[in-house]
Amino acid sequence: EAGVAQSPRYKIIEKRQSVAFWCNPISGHATLYWYQQILGQGPKLLIQFQNNGVVDDSQLPKDRFSAERLKGVDSTLKIQPAKLEDSAVYLCASSLEGGESAIYFGEGSWLTVV
Amino acid sequence: AQSVAQPEDQVNVAEGNPLTVKCTYSVSGNPYLFWYVQYPNRGLQFLLKYITGDNLVKGSYGFEAEFNKSQTSFHLKKPSALVSDSALYFCAVRLYTGRRALTFGSGTRLQVQP
Repeated sequence: EAGVAQSPRYKIIEKRQSVAFWCNPISGHATLYWYQQILGQGPKLLIQFQNNGVVDDSQLPKDRFSAERLKGVDSTLKIQPAKLEDSAVYLCASSLEGGESAIYFGEGSWLTVV
Repeated sequence: AQSVAQPEDQVNVAEGNPLTVKCTYSVSGNPYLFWYVQYPNRGLQFLLKYITGDNLVKGSYGFEAEFNKSQTSFHLKKPSALVSDSALYFCAVRLYTGRRALTFGSGTRLQVQP
């Protein structure tokens, strides 16, 4: 079974530029998450989708971050304009519905803002 | 609100010795608890979860964890450590009810010396 796919794996941009990350979840997983992991810290939830609806985006910096999951399958996370403090790994994850389900993560997209 | 504490930034253990990585949680209600492992430049891999029932849960790669409700703890254990177990370990919690995403601890680096 294919895992969570993410691209690109690595991206270096200058501050104030824009960047987009793509994620394709495990087939059949209705719930999709984007987490931000800053070096030395645990992952922090940015946004959670259930099918194509947003469940929780309370920690998403909406002035610069946006995410969509238009057809309830793959998703895109965008940052515009990027700041130095956005340098992090952006982890996409998916799970079946239900609180007892484990969340399965992709390999992550590593962003460096210079 | 839900939160997780991993009190040790790093745990050092000799190969062949038992290991314990500590985790305590705070949640209003019954928790689902998870452990994940992260190898360098990789995403998080699911190790095990506690949902209900037996307080000792077994997971991948010989790891197990013990749920202690009175101490609100969920410590990760392994009877005999391997050098290949060296990695970053994250504990995570989710409320029993609702559709909240996982909340992660700050991580504990496990170093197993030959």
